[in-house]
Amino acid sequence: KAGVTQTPRYLIKTRGQQVTLSCSPISGHRSVSWYQQTPGQGLQFLFEYFSETQRNKGNFPGRFSGRQFSNSRSEMNVSTLELGDSALYLCASSQNAGPNSYEQYFGPGTRLTVT
Amino acid sequence: GENVEQHPSTLSVQEGDSAVIKCTYSDSASNYFPWYKQELGKGPQLIIDIRSNVGEKKDQRIAVTLNKTAKHFSLHITETQPEDSAVYFCAASLNNYGQNFVFGPGTRLSVLP
Repeated sequence: KAGVTQTPRYLIKTRGQQVTLSCSPISGHRSVSWYQQTPGQGLQFLFEYFSETQRNKGNFPGRFSGRQFSNSRSEMNVSTLELGDSALYLCASSQNAGPNSYEQYFGPGTRLTVT
Repeated sequence: GENVEQHPSTLSVQEGDSAVIKCTYSDSASNYFPWYKQELGKGPQLIIDIRSNVGEKKDQRIAVTLNKTAKHFSLHITETQPEDSAVYFCAASLNNYGQNFVFGPGTRLSVLP
């Protein structure tokens, strides 16, 4: 079974621009979560989507948004980019049903650099 | 909200020795505790997890223990090998409505040959 895939893997943007990142979960997984990873703040939860609905949200400004499609694929968008948004953005998927519903599997991440 | 602390931040061991990483959490309602291994340039990989109704779980050279009363859990790696070198993260989650993991700051493990 293929793992979680994220595109693109690397991205360079300029302050003030916006960016959209994409995530395809493991087949059959219905929950998709997004995390931001930085050396200073570590791994921080952004939001989680399940059945096309945002189910949980972390403490990030409204510039960070996301959505999920009917095939469980998800996108996250960051508007008006700031230098501090430079980070590795990780997507994780989980089955959210049955005995393995708690297990969450991560993709390789998208490395975003804001200049 | 939940807060997870992790110690030590760096750990160096000789190949073949054991390594122990400890985490504490603040929310007694948390009920799921996974451990992840992250190698350079890769996403975190789930290596073992434990639920609050279990005190210990083992998978080959890796084991996790949970003390709900003290609100801490530990990762034990025995017979360490150079390929165990990576950053290890613990996490805690309520998991009663969706996925929202709170991660520890990580431990950089170096296994010296």
